[in-house]
Amino acid sequence: GAVVSQHPSWVICKSGTSVKIECRSLDFQATTMFWYRQFPKQSLMLMATSNEGSKATYEQGVEKDKFLINHASLTLSTLTVTSAHPEDSSFYICSGKWGARTEAFFGQGTRLTVV
Amino acid sequence: SQQGEEDPQALSIQEGENATMNCSYKTSINNLQWYRQNSGRGLVHLILIRSNEREKHSGRLRVTLDTSKKSSSLLITASRAADTASYFCATDKGGSEKLVFGKGMKLTVNP
Repeated sequence: GAVVSQHPSWVICKSGTSVKIECRSLDFQATTMFWYRQFPKQSLMLMATSNEGSKATYEQGVEKDKFLINHASLTLSTLTVTSAHPEDSSFYICSGKWGARTEAFFGQGTRLTVV
Repeated sequence: SQQGEEDPQALSIQEGENATMNCSYKTSINNLQWYRQNSGRGLVHLILIRSNEREKHSGRLRVTLDTSKKSSSLLITASRAADTASYFCATDKGGSEKLVFGKGMKLTVNP
């Protein structure tokens, strides 16, 4: 299957700082990228959907000014958690798909801990 | 509420046994997918079944779909310790490009 590389795999940051998570599609052009958040022992909750070159569409309840998503190219999407707080600590996962294909390929996830 | 919900929530079996997990959903779908997640890792796509399909096989995996009951099942035959992971079903919720995930089921295969 296609490969999506997500970095970093884990990050610890101080409260009030910003953290950027990168998601790269290595062998396909991700026309659509999805960002999910997962709490321990829970399911994935979709945060936002981004199409290359367009503004991201955020799910209800997700603060777009706090979770900045950029999808400037077909191989790179970034999620920036701004002014992070301990409650933002979570596992963040990206996934990408191309064209009309229904299958999505997931990154390895990023464990964010805000202290 | 969750579009998909797996049942049981946790299953512990011995190596060599079969594992069956079920998923129910609420709205119409174009397809249903199953994913696997090892602890602290991303998701790996296992199999996709379209709404006009009733059964699909891939290696030791067998997936069924009953659109009248809005349910699907994933069967893993001859389980191995390496199959220990969480398994999620995901639906496209009526053709949307978004995937909606179930709560997941934790499978433990004891050697």
